[in-house]
Amino acid sequence: TQLLEQSPQFLSIQEGENLTVYCNSSSVFSSLQWYRQEPGEGPVLLVTVVTGGEVKKLKRLTFQFGDARKDSSLHITAAQPGDTGLYLCAGPGNRAGSYQLTFGKGTKLSVIP
Amino acid sequence: GAGVSQTPSNKVTEKGKYVELRCDPISGHTALYWYRQSLGQGPEFLIYFQGTGAADDSGLPNDRFFAVRPEGSVSTLKIQRTERGDSAVYLCASSRSRSDTQYFGPGTRLTVL
Repeated sequence: TQLLEQSPQFLSIQEGENLTVYCNSSSVFSSLQWYRQEPGEGPVLLVTVVTGGEVKKLKRLTFQFGDARKDSSLHITAAQPGDTGLYLCAGPGNRAGSYQLTFGKGTKLSVIP
Repeated sequence: GAGVSQTPSNKVTEKGKYVELRCDPISGHTALYWYRQSLGQGPEFLIYFQGTGAADDSGLPNDRFFAVRPEGSVSTLKIQRTERGDSAVYLCASSRSRSDTQYFGPGTRLTVL
């Protein structure tokens, strides 16, 4: 069973601060995805990282995939209240076609104005 | 175009009752997935449809859970003899084909009293 552990579980910061959240596994993943979920909504895909060591930027968000493809991080620069939400990492399962996503428990981020 | 829609948005039922949860995928998406998200957890895979057939139902917790997709579009998740432990948000996702990006609906929040 492939498990994804996310840390921290909760994070409350002031507007303008920087933060990093982590997603770790003992298993190698062919790719990892990051989602953001807001209350009452389904997860929305932010990014997919595929290559070990890859860094992707999405405005103030920077995503990194570990060299060994076992971990990933999400760094937010100058957080804004609109960044508030549950951040989930997910990876494809072992089954052929990689359709079955395994999710971490998420990091619940609150950005205080 | 419209995203994935799910009805009802909320369902409250009593222990032992039968419930049906409906998912309307994005038009043209052949792959459809059901996930369950318990409080404080990430989504957990339940079942995957490719067209009309359930290609993988390995995530269904027991035989009280059943899902259908008779015409390859709308899907219904059926839960018999509901238990309090079934309380969760049930998420539906669809994708153009297996391994493509999954787009999630807003979920149905099921509460079993």
